[in-house]
Amino acid sequence: EDQVTQSPEALRLQEGESSSLNCSYTVSGLRGLFWYRQDPGKGPEFLFTLYSAGEEKEKERLKATLTKKESFLHITAPKPEDSATYLCAVQAVTGFQKLVFGTGTRLLVSP
Amino acid sequence: DAGVIQSPRHEVTEMGQEVTLRCKPISGHDYLFWYRQTMMRGLELLIYFNNNVPIDDSGMPEDRFSAKMPNASFSTLKIQPSEPRDSAVYFCASEGGGGGNEQFFGPGTRLTVL
Repeated sequence: EDQVTQSPEALRLQEGESSSLNCSYTVSGLRGLFWYRQDPGKGPEFLFTLYSAGEEKEKERLKATLTKKESFLHITAPKPEDSATYLCAVQAVTGFQKLVFGTGTRLLVSP
Repeated sequence: DAGVIQSPRHEVTEMGQEVTLRCKPISGHDYLFWYRQTMMRGLELLIYFNNNVPIDDSGMPEDRFSAKMPNASFSTLKIQPSEPRDSAVYFCASEGGGGGNEQFFGPGTRLTVL
């Protein structure tokens, strides 16, 4: 069974304090690993897709990396507006379009 | 594009009542997904459609849940009869199927069953 585990469950940072979120996964052949951002009361918003180990993608203060067992979402010099829940999901080669989500990391950035 | 549209945004009903949630996907997208999100279980896929045809409904919790997609621009998720444990946020998402694989989510429907 495909599984995604995210850590930590919650993270509190000061503005400008860089850190990383972890997403560990087990999947029967990875087709893609997805990162989403979810603000309270809203639907998840797509951030990145990673397809193979060693791949990296960046967007503003966020950088996502991928290995064969886990992905990291690095947040550099975060701002209060980066506060949100960050969700990781995997799509298996045999799962067609199905995404399996982790339970997320709630990030709070204080000014 | 207006994005994925869901209605209603909030629904409060009593146990035993029928509930119908509605979704309009992004125009041109050929995949449509229904998810349920709770604090305990996170975001779970219930069912998804490709070109209006249900492909995988293994996440539908029981026979009380049903979903239809009569055309490319409309889908419904129905719960009959509803129970308090069905209380959750229900999301609809769509995907273009053009290789990018990213799903775009609607704002969700918060369902409360009393």
